[in-house]
Amino acid sequence: AQSVTQPDIHITVSEGASLELRCNYSYGATPYLFWYVQSPGQGLQLLLKYFSGDTLVQGIKGFEAEFKRSQSSFNLRKPSVHWSDAAEYFCAVEPIKAAGNKLTFGGGTRVLVKP
Amino acid sequence: GAGVSQSPSNKVTEKGKDVELRCDPISGHTALYWYRQSLGQGLEFLIYFQGNSAPDKSGLPSDRFSAERTGGSVSTLTIQRTQQEDSAVYLCASSLTGTGASTDTQYFGPGTRLTVL
Repeated sequence: AQSVTQPDIHITVSEGASLELRCNYSYGATPYLFWYVQSPGQGLQLLLKYFSGDTLVQGIKGFEAEFKRSQSSFNLRKPSVHWSDAAEYFCAVEPIKAAGNKLTFGGGTRVLVKP
Repeated sequence: GAGVSQSPSNKVTEKGKDVELRCDPISGHTALYWYRQSLGQGLEFLIYFQGNSAPDKSGLPSDRFSAERTGGSVSTLTIQRTQQEDSAVYLCASSLTGTGASTDTQYFGPGTRLTVL
């Protein structure tokens, strides 16, 4: 069965510092890959997605993610964190070209930004 | 509307009562999904609609849970005889086609927080 692992439950980072959130997946074939962000009391907002092609994906709010097939990873990065980036981040996978493309989520990483 | 909307935003109910949660997807989106977010289980898929039919109900945790979609638009998730373990945030999402195409992305609503006392 497919699974998504986000090894870090919490990360604390200083404002202006870089951020990297880890995501590993287990699946029979390379799935579609997503990062979503959830601010307190809010729904999930899509940051970026990977379907094929260039393994470095640019998203909104200055985020990027790199797909590494050999490591089954899809890590999220931001060069300089802003206080507004404090939120919970979810990595998700979806089977390629499968109807009813339900998402399987990782457990989430909560990011705290120190002033 | 511009995005997925859900109502109510918060619902407190007593154990044993029935509740209905509503989702209004993005206009024109044929696929609709329900997910549940709870402390113990994280984010988990419940059910998927393509139009008014539900080809995948595999995530519904028990027969107390049901959902319907009418007119290819609004969906209602019903929980009968609620239990305390049903307390969670219920999220709805919609996508344009639900066909798994690379251009098909799920957009989420703000969720309904259900508390069962």
